[in-house]
Amino acid sequence: DAKTTQPPSMDCAEGRAANLPCNHSTISGNEYVYWYRQIHSQGPQYIIHGLKNNETNEMASLIITEDRKSSTLILPHATLRDTAVYYCIVRVVFKDDKIIFGKGTRLHILP
Amino acid sequence: NAGVMQNPRHLVRRRGQEARLRCSPMKGHSHVYWYRQLPEEGLKFMVYLQKENIIDESGMPKERFSAEFPKEGPSILRIQQVVRGDSAAYFCASSRPGTPETGELFFGEGSRLTVL
Repeated sequence: DAKTTQPPSMDCAEGRAANLPCNHSTISGNEYVYWYRQIHSQGPQYIIHGLKNNETNEMASLIITEDRKSSTLILPHATLRDTAVYYCIVRVVFKDDKIIFGKGTRLHILP
Repeated sequence: NAGVMQNPRHLVRRRGQEARLRCSPMKGHSHVYWYRQLPEEGLKFMVYLQKENIIDESGMPKERFSAEFPKEGPSILRIQQVVRGDSAAYFCASSRPGTPETGELFFGEGSRLTVL
């Protein structure tokens, strides 16, 4: 079972920042937070991951709270192509194990 | 550097026939994962394989489904005697062994099975 809780859906205006929350209150010390997204009918795409520090790459930023019980994925300037289901996942990195996907958040970018 | 390649992209079978789905992992990847996505539902883990070994098949249905990842060639997901409920998108992902930092899975574009 997924160890994360996400809102089922969110809307965001095009050009604005999209902030997607995720609760992972039972996260263990050796578990990383990963974000993937699935654009309609395509394979899931890796976005970003982090352990306890905030992370940024060309796609997004990841903000993890100090207690690590929640995090926020930020898409700084959302475009229509960012419309997708976003999955927040916690997993141990050094163990080659499966990813369990929850229901994710369906993000609608509004023109 | 080609990504994860899945074929066929679309497959139509009649009830009772067999379906074979193939997955070629990214170069240098020796771990393969299969997922199933029913229409309007989420991704469900099926099986995790390394070369010539099944590591975790906890998500595989007990009957009619099998998977292999031979020493040479692609990974194959085989569904025998297909039923309409098998109609779904089947996604394959691969990863690199012992990746210390990312543990990232790279997904293919999926194979869409339709059972008539």
